[in-house]
Amino acid sequence: DGGITQSPKYLFRKEGQNVTLSCEQNLNHDAMYWYRQDPGQGLRLIYYSQIVNDFQKGDIAEGYSVSREKKESFPLTVTSAQKNPTAFYLCASTFGVGGGNQPQHFGDGTRLSIL
Amino acid sequence: KQEVTQIPAALSVPEGENLVLNCSFTDSAIYNLQWFRQDPGKGLTSLLLIQSSQREQTSGRLNASLDKSSGRSTLYIAASQPGDSATYLCAVRGGSYIPTFGRGTSLIVHP
Repeated sequence: DGGITQSPKYLFRKEGQNVTLSCEQNLNHDAMYWYRQDPGQGLRLIYYSQIVNDFQKGDIAEGYSVSREKKESFPLTVTSAQKNPTAFYLCASTFGVGGGNQPQHFGDGTRLSIL
Repeated sequence: KQEVTQIPAALSVPEGENLVLNCSFTDSAIYNLQWFRQDPGKGLTSLLLIQSSQREQTSGRLNASLDKSSGRSTLYIAASQPGDSATYLCAVRGGSYIPTFGRGTSLIVHP
């Protein structure tokens, strides 16, 4: 079945450490997105990519980095510069560049906590 | 900048009730509006997508309507069941193609 796979499901970060969250999709979608979800705050956009080798900052990109070397993959690195990384991270994708009229699909999320 | 508001923030109803969840947005120049369901600790599951040219979409016991001119959408759930308990989010996509999400309505349906 087609879908979006996020791994790991749970991740713990030590102070000063960079960690990478994986997002893989087999839906042949062009656009991919990373969101952060905190209790009571809804979803906030971190980064998005509409095509391979191109990505744009969202509303809260500071302390995060991404790459888009393959259409299927959009990993997110939470760097040590992100001082409050504890949150639920969601990856999403949409068919077509821009995906204007297409539904957005989500993975099951990664919960990141600080040790 | 688009703002999306969902009212109420939380709702608790007995099983069998018909309910309406509301979503309002400030900029009516949208491509589509999507309703999602989120179970605790899980990702978002797409329920319905309404294009800007449509007035409503239906799937089983769910019906979503869209009134672009007034900046409103409603999600109607018929004959609610305990399994409907979840958080429901709406997202509006406008000219930037980037969806703007509401904060969701947390629904509890008790037996």
